[in-house]
Amino acid sequence: NAGVTQTPKFQVLKTGQSMTLQCAQDMNHEYMSWYRQDPGMGLRLIHYSVGAGITDQGEVPNGYNVSRSTTEDFPLRLLSAAPSQTSVYFCASSYSEPGRSGNTIYFGEGSWLTVV
Amino acid sequence: AQKITQTQPGMFVQEKEAVTLDCTYDTSDQSYGLFWYKQPSSGEMIFLIYQGSYDEQNATEGRYSLNFQKARKSANLVISASQLGDSAMYFCAMTYYGNNRLAFGKGNQVVVIP
Repeated sequence: NAGVTQTPKFQVLKTGQSMTLQCAQDMNHEYMSWYRQDPGMGLRLIHYSVGAGITDQGEVPNGYNVSRSTTEDFPLRLLSAAPSQTSVYFCASSYSEPGRSGNTIYFGEGSWLTVV
Repeated sequence: AQKITQTQPGMFVQEKEAVTLDCTYDTSDQSYGLFWYKQPSSGEMIFLIYQGSYDEQNATEGRYSLNFQKARKSANLVISASQLGDSAMYFCAMTYYGNNRLAFGKGNQVVVIP
C-alpha cells in the first residue's frame, strides 16, 4: 500500500476490554482519518484529524477516542469494546483535505476486529 | 449533508466487455469532489479515479472513465474491457471543498466471468 500502516490486522476482544488500533503514515500527510466498514455498508467516518494536535468527530464517533500527537501517527482507541463495534476499520491519509482537486486519499489495509 | 446512492444489485460481466456502475449524489454545494474506489476480496481500498465538480472534462484513468453529469448529479464509473481482476466491490464517494469528510455509497459488487 502507499505508506499507511495499520496494526493489528486481526483482533478478538471481549466485551468491556479496551484496545488501540495503530495507524502510521510516512508521507508527511496532514489529514488522517478512521473509518469503519460494516456488511452491506460503505465506509463511515469515525474521527479525523487535519494536523498534529487537531482532531474532530465524524459520523459515528461514539465509543472511540483519538489523539494526534505527531504528524505520522493517529491511533484509534476503543474505550470499552461492545459487540456493535465488530467491524473492519480503515485508516486513511492525504496531503490535505479530501475535497481538494487531485488530492489522493491513501488507505491502510484494514483491521478486522471482533468483539465477543 | 451529503448522500451517495449506489443501488445496482450485484453484476456479472463477461470478460472483455464494458460495465457501467451507477452513482448518484445529493448536495447543495457547488464545489465538491467525486471518487471511485475498488475493494477486492482481500479488503484493501484502491483509489481509481477522481472528478472535481468544476472539471469540464470527464475524468479518465486507463480503463476507467467517469461519466459525470452534473445537472443530473450522477457520476457513473465505466470500466472498459473488463478483466478477471476487476471482480470486486466498487464504492463511490464524495466530499466538498472545505469539508474534511468523505461520504461513501454502499457499493456495487462486480463479478467478471470468463
